[in-house]
Formats: sequence, structure tokens, C-alpha cells
Amino acid sequence: GQQLNQSPQSMFIQEGEDVSMNCTSSSIFNTWLWYKQEPGEGPVLLIALYKAGELTSNGRLTAQFGITRKDSFLNISASIPSDVGIYFCAGNTNAGKSTFGDGTTLTVKP
Amino acid sequence: NAGVMQNPRHLVRRRGQEARLRCSPMKGHSHVYWYRQLPEEGLKFMVYLQKENIIDESGMPKERFSAEFPKEGPSILRIQQVVRGDSAAYFCASSRGPALYNEQFFGPGTRLTVL
Repeated sequence: GQQLNQSPQSMFIQEGEDVSMNCTSSSIFNTWLWYKQEPGEGPVLLIALYKAGELTSNGRLTAQFGITRKDSFLNISASIPSDVGIYFCAGNTNAGKSTFGDGTTLTVKP
Repeated sequence: NAGVMQNPRHLVRRRGQEARLRCSPMKGHSHVYWYRQLPEEGLKFMVYLQKENIIDESGMPKERFSAEFPKEGPSILRIQQVVRGDSAAYFCASSRGPALYNEQFFGPGTRLTVL
């Protein structure tokens, strides 16, 4: 089946630092998505990417859909304590279901 | 407009019992997806339903698991004769149309513990 390799697995950073995480796959996806999950809650969509090469921003978050359609990255600039959580990438194919990476756990030290 | 609702939020069952997990999609959403999440892992797709029809159940175990989305009422994920390995968080998501071009909104999940 399709698999997404997400890295890094965890990050410990100081408040104010920038963060970068990425996902790669051996399969092509038609849509890339980035979610944030907090303890005890479901994932919340941060950014959706629909076209290869697309670069999209949402506040301090920026994500890109790789030109090969097999990878994506998410950057968070000037991190703040409330950025703490688990970030997941996900890819969609025409089948409609989402394939998720295993997540990047972000810890921000004040 | 209420979000996706799931109940119960926590469910404890003994081995061999049945677990029934409910999901009420957002208003106007006719596409429902069920995912399972083990600790420190991502969500794993189980089944995709569109009102009364199962579109894709490729991620759902062939035995003991079933899902439905009736014309009226919530979507139900049913696990018969639960085993300890079924302990996980089960998330439901809904969308207005197929997930490829329509945002999936996730519920808060049901945490199943099998004793």
C-alpha cells in the first residue's frame, strides 16, 4: 500500500525559531495536506495543496507541493508555545481516502 | 454549524464484547471516513462511505469489523468480539464531496480500551 515517510519524528526548539518538516513517498499523490493534532482531539487541517509546485501560506505556516508530486514540506516561522502538537502530512489520490504520515511531535520551549 | 460529533468519547469493553462507535457528520456532508490511530502513529484509513453505500473498505479488517451510514442517523463502526489489539483511537471525518477536492473535518475521536 501507499506509505508516507515523515521527518523528523520529533523536534525540540526554542520559542522564536523556525521549524521545517517534510514528507516523502514512493507514490504520487494528487493532493497534499498538513494537519495539527492536539492531545485528545482530532486532526485539524492547516494547509491543503492541490497542484504540483504550489506554495501556500497560512499565517506563519508555509507548505509546498513537490513538483514530482511525491513530497511536501511544512515550515513554521517564529514559533510560539501554542505551536506545540503533532503535525501530520497526508496525501490523497483519486480514490478519495487520505494516507497519513506518522507525525512530527513539536515541543517549543519558552 | 456543529462540527463532526462522535460518541462515546471513551469506551471500555472486555474481550469478546461488541463495540459500537457513532459518528454524526457535519450538516450537509454526505461523505464519511473512518480512521484508526495507535499511540505515536498516524491515522490509518479504514473505510469510506457515502450515504448508504460503502465506497472503499480496503483498510478495514475482513472479519469482526463493519461500517454503515444509513439514510437517516449517524454512521456506525461496529467491532464484534473485540480483542486487546482493537484498543485504539477511532476517528471519523466528513466532507461535502469526495476528499480529493473537499476538506475533511475530523471529529474528536472515540478511545476504545479493551480489557
